[in-house]
Amino acid sequence: GAGVSQSPRYKVTKRGQDVALRCDPISGHVSLYWYRQALGQGPEFLTYFNYEAQQDKSGLPNDRFSAERPEGSISTLTIQRTEQRDSAMYRCASSASGRALDEQFFGPGTRLTVL
Amino acid sequence: QQQVKQSPQSLIVQKGGISIINCAYENTAFDYFPWYQQFPGKGPALLIAIRPDVSEKKEGRFTISFNKSAKQFSLHIMDSQPGDSATYFCAVIYAGNNRKLIWGLGTSLAVNP
Repeated sequence: GAGVSQSPRYKVTKRGQDVALRCDPISGHVSLYWYRQALGQGPEFLTYFNYEAQQDKSGLPNDRFSAERPEGSISTLTIQRTEQRDSAMYRCASSASGRALDEQFFGPGTRLTVL
Repeated sequence: QQQVKQSPQSLIVQKGGISIINCAYENTAFDYFPWYQQFPGKGPALLIAIRPDVSEKKEGRFTISFNKSAKQFSLHIMDSQPGDSATYFCAVIYAGNNRKLIWGLGTSLAVNP
């Protein structure tokens, strides 16, 4: 596609439910990043992949959060047993070659609201 | 602990004026310093970036000034336009074995016509 896409754009869920957020990176991009952005804050790194391999998951807040990219393209960020504090904008970014300083292209985000 | 301190939180500038946003960092291992521009409802987009081996980089109306000894870098927007109204984020990255972009809290810029 022309850019990074994410779905759904908005997700409202009840506390305790599981949610799955999808990221479709720019075609052919090697690296894929997940960030969380609270209102009025800068993005906070969660995890990133090169191809299908998860390289760094140190930013995942706890074991309720997991991510996968099984075929090296689309990625899913899953939050189990959601809590109100999980409410935020979740952003995905991709970069072309996997080099550390490649430009990261961001998607429009998924706004998650946990009631 | 905020590793990147960005100021001001908000900024109002008249059309044609100069907008200046500042960032300070602590870790001398950071080796890439990008600025991102974010419009409402959109994801951040890379605006301009600098490596620590240069003190200034200019692209059109946008200039990054970098002071390695002071561990500070700033974004200057010359001849500010209403279309520049957006949130600006500075970020840092350590390109070694840790590629995390670490972000400032953002500056909301409003350019009045």
